[in-house]
Amino acid sequence: GQQVMQIPQYQHVQEGEDFTTYCNSSTTLSNIQWYKQRPGGHPVFLIQLVKSGEVKKQKRLTFQFGEAKKNSSLHITATQTTDVGTYFCAASGGYNKLIFGAGTRLAVHP
Amino acid sequence: DAGVTQSPTHLIKTRGQQVTLRCSPKSGHDTVSWYQQALGQGPQFIFQYYEEEERQRGNFPDRFSGHQFPNYSSELNVNALLLGDSALYLCASSRLTDQRGYNEQFFGPGTRLTVL
Repeated sequence: GQQVMQIPQYQHVQEGEDFTTYCNSSTTLSNIQWYKQRPGGHPVFLIQLVKSGEVKKQKRLTFQFGEAKKNSSLHITATQTTDVGTYFCAASGGYNKLIFGAGTRLAVHP
Repeated sequence: DAGVTQSPTHLIKTRGQQVTLRCSPKSGHDTVSWYQQALGQGPQFIFQYYEEEERQRGNFPDRFSGHQFPNYSSELNVNALLLGDSALYLCASSRLTDQRGYNEQFFGPGTRLTVL
């Protein structure tokens, strides 16, 4: 079945450093969604990318969708302690089904 | 407007028992999906309900079953519990979308199930 691979599994940064997580698929994706899950919380929708080569920004967060629509990335500039959590990419498995990556856990040291 | 709600928050069961988890979707949403999230892993799709019928199913055994009611709320039932069923069970609601899956999912706070 369809899978999405996400790297790295963990990332520890000093506050103010940048952070990037990558998501890859062996098949072409119709779209990719990104979610953030705070410790002890539930996944919260961040953004959806649909078009080939699409780039979207939300304040310090930059999301990219690859030209071949097989990979995506999330980049956070100048991390803050509020960025702590696990970031998941999720591909559509058709209709409302989501196929999640394993997530990247971000720790930010003040 | 209340978001997605789930009950109970926590549950402890023993092997072989049965459990029922409940979910109320966000207002205006007609599709409910259930996910299992083991510790340190991403959510895994269990199944999805629309118009009171199971529309899609993930790779979970028949011990996992569900139901959707006319008011769009949903239940997840797990029979003959195993230790490996211990996980966070998440309910997500959305409006019906097409095969491309363009609608974001709104997740509830989850039910933490512990099987002893």
